[in-house]
Amino acid sequence: NAGVTQTPKFQVLKTGQSMTLQCAQDMNHNSMYWYRQDPGMGLRLIYYSASEGTTDKGEVPNGYNVSRLNKREFSLRLESAAPSQTSVYFCATGQGFSYEQYFGPGTRLTVT
Amino acid sequence: DQQVKQNSPSLSVQEGRISILNCDYTNSMFDYFLWYKKYPAEGPTFLISISSIKDKNEDGRFTVFLNKSAKHLSLHIVPSQPGDSAVYFCAASPLRKTSGSRLTFGEGTQLTVNP
Repeated sequence: NAGVTQTPKFQVLKTGQSMTLQCAQDMNHNSMYWYRQDPGMGLRLIYYSASEGTTDKGEVPNGYNVSRLNKREFSLRLESAAPSQTSVYFCATGQGFSYEQYFGPGTRLTVT
Repeated sequence: DQQVKQNSPSLSVQEGRISILNCDYTNSMFDYFLWYKKYPAEGPTFLISISSIKDKNEDGRFTVFLNKSAKHLSLHIVPSQPGDSAVYFCAASPLRKTSGSRLTFGEGTQLTVNP
């Protein structure tokens, strides 16, 4: 089992370009999450999906959109990238009422 | 407003000694606490957790202590090993009433265990 996979691993964008970060899981978990990690700031929740068909904003949703395509896949879209969105992005999953979340390997995004 | 704070950005200890990582929180609604470990170029991995109804939880070399009145928790690693060198994140969640937990993370502490 691959667990949680993210594509791409690295990406460089110019300001104003758009892109979609992909996340897929084979853990049969209901909940999926997108975080960003910045130096000295820990991980901050961007959006999450408690179950298939639902999405909710997290702490830092501005500039992002998400799609829960099915139970396995949860994508994060940057419509018009800005340098402030340079970060490492992590996807995570969680099961039912468990508090624990399981993370993918991350996507390192640089916006110039 | 940083609701979960890890005031020490880094900690260095000798192999075999105890490592103590600290975490403070401000939100009294937090009911469940977790520690994650992160190696470079990898995602965080779950390490250990504690519910607010307990004050201690052990798992092998790792013990988490919770002091609710002080809104403080700590992670003890005994004995420390070089492979424990990583960034450790503290995270907290309010009581879950529906599926889908919202974790609030601290800034992280870089632990270095010297041989």
